[in-house]
Amino acid sequence: DGGITQSPKYLFRKEGQNVTLSCEQNLNHDAMYWYRQDPGQGLRLIYYSQIVNDFQKGDIAEGYSVSREKKESFPLTVTSAQKNPTAFYLCASSSSGNHAEAFFGQGTRLTVV
Amino acid sequence: AQSVSQHNHHVILSEAASLELGCNYSYGGTVNLFWYVQYPGQHLQLLLKYFSGDPLVKGIKGFEAEFIKSKFSFNLRKPSVQWSDTAEYFCAVQGGSYIPTFGRGTSLIVHP
Repeated sequence: DGGITQSPKYLFRKEGQNVTLSCEQNLNHDAMYWYRQDPGQGLRLIYYSQIVNDFQKGDIAEGYSVSREKKESFPLTVTSAQKNPTAFYLCASSSSGNHAEAFFGQGTRLTVV
Repeated sequence: AQSVSQHNHHVILSEAASLELGCNYSYGGTVNLFWYVQYPGQHLQLLLKYFSGDPLVKGIKGFEAEFIKSKFSFNLRKPSVQWSDTAEYFCAVQGGSYIPTFGRGTSLIVHP
């Protein structure tokens, strides 16, 4: 069954700790994205990668880091430098080029206490 | 840079009412336009998309959207909503970089 898997679904961390959110896709998509969803603010782009071993900052990259060592995987690390990390995080992927719709995972809700 | 503006943040309707959700975008070149829907507890999924050709596009579950280039708009419509349409709706634009930019979303509640 093709799709995008995000894990875990819920994550709790203490303030000051780094945490890594997993995102795996088996759709053979070149492009992968991380968005943050907050109530009333829609989806804001954190990082994106259009090809393996390359990634770019999005609109709100501060306090986050990513890697893209494999085509299928695009993990996101929320560092202690992120001032307001509690949020719903969505991973997406798409084929490269024009006319490509994005496919989304189920999301990870991160709560920092 | 591209941007998307959704005018209605919260919409409450009764079943069988008609729906129109506004979406305006800002981008100087050719765009691809999308509406995505997020049902409660489910992942975001594509409702419909416009790339070129007929500006009136039809999507799943009776939804349609019209691209009006002169107004930079891509409004979503449905003639008669159902309780099952309760969800959050996101408009998205894709410009030259092919990176989708999303609007703030519209929360739709349909009362039975």
